[in-house]
Amino acid sequence: DAGVIQSPRHEVTEMGQEVTLRCKPISGHNSLFWYRQTMMRGLELLIYFNNNVPIDDSGMPEDRFSAKMPNASFSTLKIQPSEPRDSAVYFCASSFTGGTGDREQYFGPGTRLTVT
Amino acid sequence: AQTVTQSQPEMSVQEAETVTLSCTYDTSENNYYLFWYKQPPSRQMILVIRQEAYKQQNATENRFSVNFQKAAKSFSLKISDSQLGDTAMYFCAFYELGGGADGLTFGKGTHLIIQP
Repeated sequence: DAGVIQSPRHEVTEMGQEVTLRCKPISGHNSLFWYRQTMMRGLELLIYFNNNVPIDDSGMPEDRFSAKMPNASFSTLKIQPSEPRDSAVYFCASSFTGGTGDREQYFGPGTRLTVT
Repeated sequence: AQTVTQSQPEMSVQEAETVTLSCTYDTSENNYYLFWYKQPPSRQMILVIRQEAYKQQNATENRFSVNFQKAAKSFSLKISDSQLGDTAMYFCAFYELGGGADGLTFGKGTHLIIQP
């Protein structure tokens, strides 16, 4: 298995532009998570999907952030309009939750976003 | 809400020495998992070891072992015979079973440096 795939790996954009981050979870996993990592706040959960349905988006910082999961193999995190304080590394992770699954979350390589 | 505390921002040891990273957490739940993740300079999040709260036996993975003290809410990671490749950020993480949000709660991390 290729693991969790994220694109792009790096994104540099100007303030006010729309940014879309993409994630392909591991096949067979039914849960998908978006995390943000910054020096100040560490790793924070932004949103969590189970069976393609958003379950908890309480970590989404504000209305400029939105996430979708149109099918089991694809999710996007969109920031519109972007601001310099959105600069961070954004991780996508997937897992199988339910039954006796070990709940281990497998992380993608992350997208480093820089907003100038 | 759960909190995870890693009190050592940075640690440095000589190669081949044993090092212990500390982690404490706060929860009112009884069923949960604890994890240690490693993040090398490549920024990939790599699972090091996992502990189920209902298991009394401490988890071990080769040179990595944990000291899980449930009553004290402590979950330390011991690395034996440390190697240069162990240099990385180490994050302790908490996962609650059956909770409304299934995301991981991370500590702020410990930067471990293995000196040659």
